[in-house]
Amino acid sequence: AQKVTQAQTEISVVEKEDVTLDCVYETRDTTYYLFWYKQPPSGELVFLIRRNSFDEQNEISGRYSWNFQKSTSSFNFTITASQVVDSAVYFCALSGGLETSGSRLTFGEGTQLTVNP
Amino acid sequence: KAGVTQTPRYLIKTRGQQVTLSCSPISGHRSVSWYQQTPGQGLQFLFEYFSETQRNKGNFPGRFSGRQFSNSRSEMNVSTLELGDSALYLCASSFLIAGGVVNEQFFGPGTRLTVL
Repeated sequence: AQKVTQAQTEISVVEKEDVTLDCVYETRDTTYYLFWYKQPPSGELVFLIRRNSFDEQNEISGRYSWNFQKSTSSFNFTITASQVVDSAVYFCALSGGLETSGSRLTFGEGTQLTVNP
Repeated sequence: KAGVTQTPRYLIKTRGQQVTLSCSPISGHRSVSWYQQTPGQGLQFLFEYFSETQRNKGNFPGRFSGRQFSNSRSEMNVSTLELGDSALYLCASSFLIAGGVVNEQFFGPGTRLTVL
């Protein structure tokens, strides 16, 4: 069975602070994929990043960066110099290999990020 | 490219009724998945369709069903509605090649179903 845990239910920061959202996963698959999605108040899930289990390189995209560590089964997400527009619920998700689970995503509980001006 | 569209956006039904939700994937995407989002259970996978075939199903009762048409559009149906079926139903599509890698899913705006 697959499981994703986002221990931080809510985080509140002041604009321009850096913030890290934690994600810990469990899977028995040797091939798997990790994702982050953002859900603003409008409700639509917005794709942020996909990472496969064979690629442990960290990634940076503008103010966003991701730290994937297989040794600790973690895939953390950092927002640098946060802005009010970053306020949203962020979900970490896991998918097994295509042959085992297709495109099925297992989501964490989500972290509500509030950035105050 | 147009995104994933879902209709209707809002729906109010009463217990015992049935409902059909529709999803049009991004052009060229053949995989369509459905998810239920509730405050108590979070985001839960319902089922996935690829080339008109259900390839994966979540842990939901048989009242929840779906199908996919030859143009990749998908519908999901919930029969004998219960109060607990009130939720945001999200559809997602992805570009999937049989035997290929798992690609990212792109989500629609969702259908907000309220059961009274």
